[in-house]
Amino acid sequence: QQQVKQSPQSLIVQKGGISIINCAYENTAFDYFPWYQQFPGKGPALLIAIRPDVSEKKEGRFTISFNKSAKQFSLHIMDSQPGDSATYFCAARNSGNTPLVFGKGTRLSVIA
Amino acid sequence: SAVISQKPSRDICQRGTSLTIQCQVDSQVTMMFWYRQQPGQSLTLIATANQGSEATYESGFVIDKFPISRPNLTFSTLTVSNMSPEDSSIYLCSVDGAQGYTFGSGTRLTVV
Repeated sequence: QQQVKQSPQSLIVQKGGISIINCAYENTAFDYFPWYQQFPGKGPALLIAIRPDVSEKKEGRFTISFNKSAKQFSLHIMDSQPGDSATYFCAARNSGNTPLVFGKGTRLSVIA
Repeated sequence: SAVISQKPSRDICQRGTSLTIQCQVDSQVTMMFWYRQQPGQSLTLIATANQGSEATYESGFVIDKFPISRPNLTFSTLTVSNMSPEDSSIYLCSVDGAQGYTFGSGTRLTVV
């Protein structure tokens, strides 16, 4: 049973457009929701993260929207650039020093 | 955030042999996590390594196949034993640092 469901599997966006990736979860004990960016041959890099007491968090062109009642969260990439082309993973964690569980990933391609 | 040095970065191994992957962290951490990422797939947790105790393995992963050592708060190793081509994957270590979960750059293992 997949604990975090991520969609879409792949996404093509025009340069300058908005990329939106969605994730849903069932476990209400999750208390930390990060997004990771991974380039080929590299380990995942933390992009931005949110906790459930906040509905939105913005860092530069990256925004997380969090809907606790719907148990959903999403990543918005504004003014998408070709350099943003990568695989993005949402993740979640139970409270405490526990491992992350990951969505299946979204392969983003930003085309000029 | 914590910086992880993982090695080797890649290796090609003969079936039936073993490979030990090392992760060194630049700060003391309680837990270290080991993941496997098969080509084009998401990250799957192998085990959680706590210093001074036996690692905790996820369903589908066993100690005889993936023995883990955690001799101190900054270092851990994962051994992939008696390898088969199905073990060809990227192996990653991760820690929960002050700035969130960080990952090593990964070990790309090819078994021939």
